[in-house]
Amino acid sequence: EAQVTQNPRYLITVTGKKLTVTCSQNMNHEYMSWYRQDPGLGLRQIYYSMNVEVTDKGDVPEGYKVSRKEKRNFPLILESPSPNQTSLYFCASSFIFRANGLTQHFGDGTRLSIL
Amino acid sequence: QQPVQSPQAVILREGEDAVINCSSSKALYSVHWYRQKHGEAPVFLMILLKGGEQKGHDKISASFNEKKQQSSLYLTASQLSYSGTYFCGTRNAGGTSYGKLTFGQGTILTVHP
Repeated sequence: EAQVTQNPRYLITVTGKKLTVTCSQNMNHEYMSWYRQDPGLGLRQIYYSMNVEVTDKGDVPEGYKVSRKEKRNFPLILESPSPNQTSLYFCASSFIFRANGLTQHFGDGTRLSIL
Repeated sequence: QQPVQSPQAVILREGEDAVINCSSSKALYSVHWYRQKHGEAPVFLMILLKGGEQKGHDKISASFNEKKQQSSLYLTASQLSYSGTYFCGTRNAGGTSYGKLTFGQGTILTVHP
């Protein structure tokens, strides 16, 4: 089954304790992206990757890191989490077709609470 | 800067029509529409590339006016399953940030029997 898998689905942690949210896709997609969703603000892109070893900032990259060492994986790293990073996070992936653009498949989401 | 969606919320009865608008202050390369049901992940609906095309499947269609940097999503003869939050996402024309996608704040659509 084609899917984007995020782990963990839920996490409660404390300020300053490094954490990683994993994202894996089994569709051989070149493009992967991370979003955070907050009430009234919609989806905001954190980072995206066009392919292995190619990453770039979205609209809200501060406080986050990413890496793309393998095509299928795109982990999101919070090295020193703060309460303002409490949010619902989504990972998404897509083929890159220049004629048709990006048609993203989203994971089920990770709800992070940072105390 | 996020595109602006209007209206923020709309309530319909089954069978009624609705239009959701998405407007950007920047020149656009493409507009992407997604629907998200409560507690679920967003699901891709359609993408429109610059060229003023109109697309649709089933009773949901969309248009893109690149000169005005605006897109509209049309829901015809709405069904209960259309309920959810609709997001438009935009990619700007020009530049090198090919993968950068900016979403609007969302429009909540509720369809009642």
